Amino acid sequence: NAGVMQNPRHLVRRRGQEARLRCSPMKGHSHVYWYRQLPEEGLKFMVYLQKENIIDESGMPKERFSAEFPKEGPSILRIQQVVRGDSAAYFCASSRWTSGNTGELFFGEGSRLTVL
Amino acid sequence: AQTVTQSQPEMSVQEAETVTLSCTYDTSESDYYLFWYKQPPSRQMILVIRQEAYKQQNATENRFSVNFQKAAKSFSLKISDSQLGDAAMYFCALTGGNEKLTFGTGTRLTIIP
Repeated sequence: NAGVMQNPRHLVRRRGQEARLRCSPMKGHSHVYWYRQLPEEGLKFMVYLQKENIIDESGMPKERFSAEFPKEGPSILRIQQVVRGDSAAYFCASSRWTSGNTGELFFGEGSRLTVL
Repeated sequence: AQTVTQSQPEMSVQEAETVTLSCTYDTSESDYYLFWYKQPPSRQMILVIRQEAYKQQNATENRFSVNFQKAAKSFSLKISDSQLGDAAMYFCALTGGNEKLTFGTGTRLTIIP
């Protein structure tokens, strides 16, 4: 049973380019979360998605960032016109929602974005 | 808004000894969950232990246990018989029930052989 798969593990972009990060949740999980970790900091929530729906995007910057979780295929975090401040590790996590039972997220190994 | 505070940026412990990592939090939720995650150099976040706020009994997982003081909003992690493989960043986290976690800034734990 494969865990949460993220790719690419490392991505280098020049300022102004686009970055696309992909996340395949664990089998049977229909909830995906994206978190960002700046150097020497904890993870910060960005967005929570279910299949074809954005449930909570309160942590997502209003501009240049978008996320989707289509009916088929992985979840995508897209960053347009990247700037140096976007350099960070982006973690995806998934969960299997069970009413009344919550809390455990399964994390991927992260995608490290470096903007030159 | 929820907050999680880890006041110890770094800690070290002799191998085989016991160490306690501190965490305090604040939330307006009446029902919530607390976690400790471990992040080794590989960067993957690994769940160490979880605690449901409605449970008075402190959670235990092998060498890892917590001291949950609900009134004081404190949630410390105790690692017994420390091993070299325990060296990592440790993050305390909180959720009000929708898996939207709020993380602390982490404590870097070093194990001294």
